[in-house]
Amino acid sequence: AQRVTQPEKLLSVFKGAPVELKCNYSYSGSPELFWYVQYSRQRLQLLLRHISRESIKGFTADLNKGETSFHLKKPFAQEEDSAMYYCALIAGNTGKLIFGQGTTLQVKP
Amino acid sequence: KAGVTQTPRYLIKTRGQQVTLSCSPISGHRSVSWYQQTPGQGLQFLFEYFSETQRNKGNFPGRFSGRQFSNSRSEMNVSTLELGDSALYLCASSPGVAGRSEYFGPGTRLLVL
Repeated sequence: AQRVTQPEKLLSVFKGAPVELKCNYSYSGSPELFWYVQYSRQRLQLLLRHISRESIKGFTADLNKGETSFHLKKPFAQEEDSAMYYCALIAGNTGKLIFGQGTTLQVKP
Repeated sequence: KAGVTQTPRYLIKTRGQQVTLSCSPISGHRSVSWYQQTPGQGLQFLFEYFSETQRNKGNFPGRFSGRQFSNSRSEMNVSTLELGDSALYLCASSPGVAGRSEYFGPGTRLLVL
C-alpha cells in the first residue's frame, strides 16, 4: 500500500537555523512526490515537486529512492516560513494524491 | 486568473440529510480533485475528474459521489450524512491530463449535527 509518513508533528527552530522536514514514503514503483504548504488562514498551495528539481522560497527537496525519503530542507529559516507542511505522493499516472499527516514548522525570532 | 472557488464556504446539516458542494476550477483547467480534511485522518483523496469522467476514486463509501460538467465545474454529493462526515472539503484543479492538484480552493467546512 502507498503511504507517506511525516514523523514530526511539530518542528520548532530559531530564525536563521537550518530546517529539515522529514518525509518517508512507501511505494513499490516510481513515485512522484510533492511538498505542499499551508500558511495561517490561507489555502493549501503546492510548494515544490521532485520532478522539477526546483528551489522555491529557499526550500529544496531531494528524492532518495534508496531511503524512500523526500525531506524538505532550507539552510536558514525565516519567521515567514512558519506554516503547516504536507508531503504527498502520486502513485503511477493518476491524480490521486496521498498526503502525510503534516508537520507544523514554527520559526521563533 | 481567478483562483479555485468553492461554494458554499460553510454548511451545517443534520444527520440523514444530504449535501451538495460545488467547485469551480481555474479557467482552462480540466482536472478537478476532491479531498476531505479532518483532524484525525488528515487529508484524504475522494475523487478526481477530467473532462467529465471520473478517473480515480478514494476509499470512501458510496454515499460520496461526484460529477463534473462540460465547463469543468464539479460537484460532490454526500447522502445520508453521518456525524463523521464533518470535515473541510477541499477541491483542487490543474491543467493537465493527469491531475496534480496544483491549485486548491479555500474549502467548504461541513458540520453535521
